[in-house]
Amino acid sequence: QTVVTQEPSLTVSPGGTVTLTCASSTGAVTSGNYPNWFQQKPGQAPRALIYSTNNKHSWTPARFSGSLLGGKAALTLSGVQPEDEAEYYCLLYYGGAQVFGTGTKVTVL
Amino acid sequence: EVQLVQSGAEVKKPGESLRISCKGSGYSFTGYWITWVRQMPGKGLEWMGRIDPSDSYSNYSPSFQGHVTFSADKPINTAYLQWSSLQASDTAMYYCVRQGTTWSDYWGQGTLVTVSS
Repeated sequence: QTVVTQEPSLTVSPGGTVTLTCASSTGAVTSGNYPNWFQQKPGQAPRALIYSTNNKHSWTPARFSGSLLGGKAALTLSGVQPEDEAEYYCLLYYGGAQVFGTGTKVTVL
Repeated sequence: EVQLVQSGAEVKKPGESLRISCKGSGYSFTGYWITWVRQMPGKGLEWMGRIDPSDSYSNYSPSFQGHVTFSADKPINTAYLQWSSLQASDTAMYYCVRQGTTWSDYWGQGTLVTVSS
């Protein structure tokens, strides 16, 4: 069973920058895993942010960006706002199957 | 406006059957997959699988294969997630998600399923 691992928690100051990563138990994450990123706030459905590594949806704020970094998928939040405090999940594609990451709780403090 | 509207919360007993729904609007329903996602209380997201509403072809995660069934009714733009025999461990929030080839975008509001004797 494939496991996709994220940092359990990260803390960032308002206006700061933080990078979340997403690692695969099968090896390096590549563009062929089409990394997607989602944000979930308490009591809400998740919201899509990034698809296919670094593409933004029409509603995604410019301060969110995606990339590949050191064999992992990465989500960078630049100029963090208090409303960015949330849980973030990556999703990786493995052929016909997909696997969510374990999630990262981002605290803005 | 693209929307996925899910059916309401359910409370069931172990062993009972259940079908929840996800109705799409504002787009071509047969042009996109519908993915189902489980979120157990206080836990992360789990990819259950997906269905192509155009022909009902489905992929299931090994963790859910044989325990749930996906289906779709094209004329009414609705996808379904079904259990024949619920267990207490099925207690969770279930989301449907619109999916293209390499991306997921719109999410339903979620259906809370509670299984308790």
